[in-house]
Amino acid sequence: EDQVTQSPEALRLQEGESSSLNCSYTVSGLRGLFWYRQDPGKGPEFLFTLYSAGEEKEKERLKATLTKKESFLHITAPKPEDSATYLCAVQASGGYQKVTFGTGTKLQVIP
Amino acid sequence: DGGITQSPKYLFRKEGQNVTLSCEQNLNHDAMYWYRQDPGQGLRLIYYSQIVNDFQKGDIAEGYSVSREKKESFPLTVTSAQKNPTAFYLCASSLPGLASYNEQFFGPGTRLTVL
Repeated sequence: EDQVTQSPEALRLQEGESSSLNCSYTVSGLRGLFWYRQDPGKGPEFLFTLYSAGEEKEKERLKATLTKKESFLHITAPKPEDSATYLCAVQASGGYQKVTFGTGTKLQVIP
Repeated sequence: DGGITQSPKYLFRKEGQNVTLSCEQNLNHDAMYWYRQDPGQGLRLIYYSQIVNDFQKGDIAEGYSVSREKKESFPLTVTSAQKNPTAFYLCASSLPGLASYNEQFFGPGTRLTVL
């Protein structure tokens, strides 16, 4: 069974204090790994897709990286508007395109 | 603007009632999904449809039903058989094909509360 574990569950940062969120996964052949941002009471917003180990993607203060067992979402010099829950999800290769989601990391950036 | 809409945003149901949640997309996506989100849990798949007039059960389909008569629409009915329906419901869509990457795009959600 595919599994996604995100850590930490919650993270509190001072504005400008860089850090990383972790997503560990177990999947029978990775087809893609996805990162989403979710604000309270809203639907997840798509951020990145990573396809293979060694790949990196960047968007503003966010950079996502991928290894064979985990992915990191690096946040550089965060601002209060980066506060949200960040979700990681994996898609297994072959057959139905099932996507398994983690429970998320709730990030709070304090001014 | 292309996107996914869900209505209503908030829904209150009395025990024993069926309710239907609406999901419409204009992204020209073939695949559509319904998820349930509860505090402290990951998104759980209720039903999915890869093409019009076809749908499959997800991991937690009991007490729910769907239809897919149009490409743009994928309504979810929460029946009285669903034991614990209070949750945040999310609809998503993605490009078609087993060979494609399943980047799913989500609607704003419907919060259902059973009174």
